[in-house]
Amino acid sequence: DGGITQSPKYLFRKEGQNVTLSCEQNLNHDAMYWYRQDPGQGLRLIYYSQIVNDFQKGDIAEGYSVSREKKESFPLTVTSAQKNPTAFYLCASSRMRLAGNQETQYFGPGTRLLVL
Amino acid sequence: QKEVEQNSGPLSVPEGAIASLNCTYSDRGSQSFFWYRQYSGKSPELIMFIYSNGDKEDGRFTAQLNKASQYVSLLIRDSQPSDSATYLCAVKLRGSSNTGKLIFGQGTTLQVKP
Repeated sequence: DGGITQSPKYLFRKEGQNVTLSCEQNLNHDAMYWYRQDPGQGLRLIYYSQIVNDFQKGDIAEGYSVSREKKESFPLTVTSAQKNPTAFYLCASSRMRLAGNQETQYFGPGTRLLVL
Repeated sequence: QKEVEQNSGPLSVPEGAIASLNCTYSDRGSQSFFWYRQYSGKSPELIMFIYSNGDKEDGRFTAQLNKASQYVSLLIRDSQPSDSATYLCAVKLRGSSNTGKLIFGQGTTLQVKP
């Protein structure tokens, strides 16, 4: 089955702790994205990556870090600098069309992060 | 002004009626428009995308785009209780073709009552 997987489904973070959210895709998509969703709100972009070993900050990158060492994987680390990390985190991916245009984004099932 | 705006609702319609969901955007140069459906506690799933002015139909769903007025809408015909969800409008802004970066509205909650 092709798709996007995220783990864990639920994650608990203690004060001062860094935690890493996993995102893997086997769709051979070039681009990957991380979003944060707070209750009753839309999605806000944290980081995105168009190719391996390259990534850009989104609108709310402070307190987060990412890596893109493999095309299939785009893990997100929520650092202790992120003071309000409780949210639903969504990973998405898309394929690069000809002429460099990105196609539609498809989402993984999400990780819900809670602070203890 | 928010870049992408939706009425948060809830929008309540009876089963079998037409549900009309609206979205306005601020960047006149926006190129691509997407509608996602999100059930409570789940991730968004793509319903439709539209690039050109006019209507695009897919089963019970019709997306309508009016670039001059800067709005995009989603019509759901013969609404079913299973259509009850939050509908997210997403816009690819001018200059974002290479990055694929989308701006999302806050979503409209639809309730279809049996």
